[in-house]
Amino acid sequence: GAGVSQSPSNKVTEKGKDVELRCDPISGHTALYWYRQSLGQGLEFLIYFQGNSAPDKSGLPSDRFSAERTGGSVSTLTIQRTQQEDSAVYLCASSPGLAVTGETQYFGPGTRLLVL
Amino acid sequence: GNSVTQMEGPVTLSEEAFLTINCTYTATGYPSLFWYVQYPGEGLQLLLKATKADDKGSNKGFEATYRKETTSFHLEKGSVQVSDSAVYFCALRVLDNFNKFYFGSGTKLNVKP
Repeated sequence: GAGVSQSPSNKVTEKGKDVELRCDPISGHTALYWYRQSLGQGLEFLIYFQGNSAPDKSGLPSDRFSAERTGGSVSTLTIQRTQQEDSAVYLCASSPGLAVTGETQYFGPGTRLLVL
Repeated sequence: GNSVTQMEGPVTLSEEAFLTINCTYTATGYPSLFWYVQYPGEGLQLLLKATKADDKGSNKGFEATYRKETTSFHLEKGSVQVSDSAVYFCALRVLDNFNKFYFGSGTKLNVKP
C-alpha cells in the first residue's frame, strides 16, 4: 500500500503566521510520530501518538506547537505565531504499534518549512 | 533513561575504503537497535536492524552487530561506494510503557571517487 504521506512538501510563511502540517500514516498503523530536523542536525522528537492513549508531548519545544490526531489516522501539527527558528524539515513517521521487538518506523518525505 | 550516541561527522572516505560509524546506547530495558539512512533529498529509510544480543543486521553490504556487553551497534561496510554518501542515524526502541524510538544525531558520510 501507500507509504506515509505529508503535505505540503514545502511551506513558506511569514513570521507570526500560523501553519498546519499534515501527515497521513500507513493504513492500520496505530503509532504516529513527529520529528523536526533542522539544517545539518539530527532528529528532534516532538510528539508521539499511540492508539487512543494520551499522546507523549514531551518533545514539543513551546506552547506554540500542538498536534492532534483525528480518528486514529491523519495527524496535524500546528505551529502558531511562527518564528524564524521554526524553519526546519518536519518529519512524520508511523509504525504498526504492535509493541513487538524489531518494529520499524516508516518515514514520510517531510515538510520543509521556511519562516521569513 | 534511553539515549543513543553517534560519532560526529562528517566522515569523508575514498571509494572502496572501510567504513565504521560508532553507535553506543543506554537503555532502561532491552532494546531493539536500528540504523536508518537518509540519502540526499530523500526521506529516512530503514537500513538494518537487530532485535537481540549478538544478532547481526545486514543490508546492502552494511553490517552491525548488537553488542550488549559494550552497549554498541557500530555500522560497518567493507568497501564504500560514492552512492553510499548519506546521513546515517542509529536508533533504539525499548518495549516499555511508551514504545518510543530514540535517534542519534546522525553521521554524514561523504565518499569521494
